[in-house]
Amino acid sequence: AQSVTQLGSHVSVSEGALVLLRCNYSSSVPPYLFWYVQYPNQGLQLLLKYTSAATLVKGINGFEAEFKKSETSFHLTKPSAHMSDAAEYFCAVSDSGGYQKVTFGIGTKLQVIP
Amino acid sequence: DAGITQSPRYKITETGRQVTLMCHQTWSHSYMFWYRQDLGHGLRLIYYSAAADITDKGEVPDGYVVSRSKTENFPLTLESATRSQTSVYFCASSLVGPEAFFGQGTRLTVV
Repeated sequence: AQSVTQLGSHVSVSEGALVLLRCNYSSSVPPYLFWYVQYPNQGLQLLLKYTSAATLVKGINGFEAEFKKSETSFHLTKPSAHMSDAAEYFCAVSDSGGYQKVTFGIGTKLQVIP
Repeated sequence: DAGITQSPRYKITETGRQVTLMCHQTWSHSYMFWYRQDLGHGLRLIYYSAAADITDKGEVPDGYVVSRSKTENFPLTLESATRSQTSVYFCASSLVGPEAFFGQGTRLTVV
């Protein structure tokens, strides 16, 4: 069985500060991992994905995530927060590569303080 | 317009009524999905479809019906709406593999 845990339902950072959103996963096989972003009243948009290639994955809008097997983690980072980064972020895991098997976390709402 | 569109964006219905949420995609993606989003639960899969005329249950299928007679359409029907089905519903599509594209969502309120 696969599962994903996002630590912190709400995270606040100052504009220009480091963004760190935490995600830990559980999977019985090597996983596929994703981060999605949801802006208010919008659908989810893929930020980045890990599919067993490089462990450091770069995504859109300056975000990146590092797959750490030993820690079963896939934390999302951005060196400098921008006001436009305020949104909800979802981590997701799939152990089969097929989308029907994707499990989403409950989301982390990021607030950026000017 | 290219992409994936959902209609209506907002819907209020009464308990016991049947309501259908529409989803249309222009990419000819094989896979289509319906999710519901609730506070504290993230996104939960209701139904998915691998191709026209092929559908299967997800995590929370009870009270919902889907059909897929054409590749581009994947309507979701609540046969007899209940207050517990008040939620935001998202349709998504995928060509193959784990990357999906989401619609803007339908906010459904059952009163």
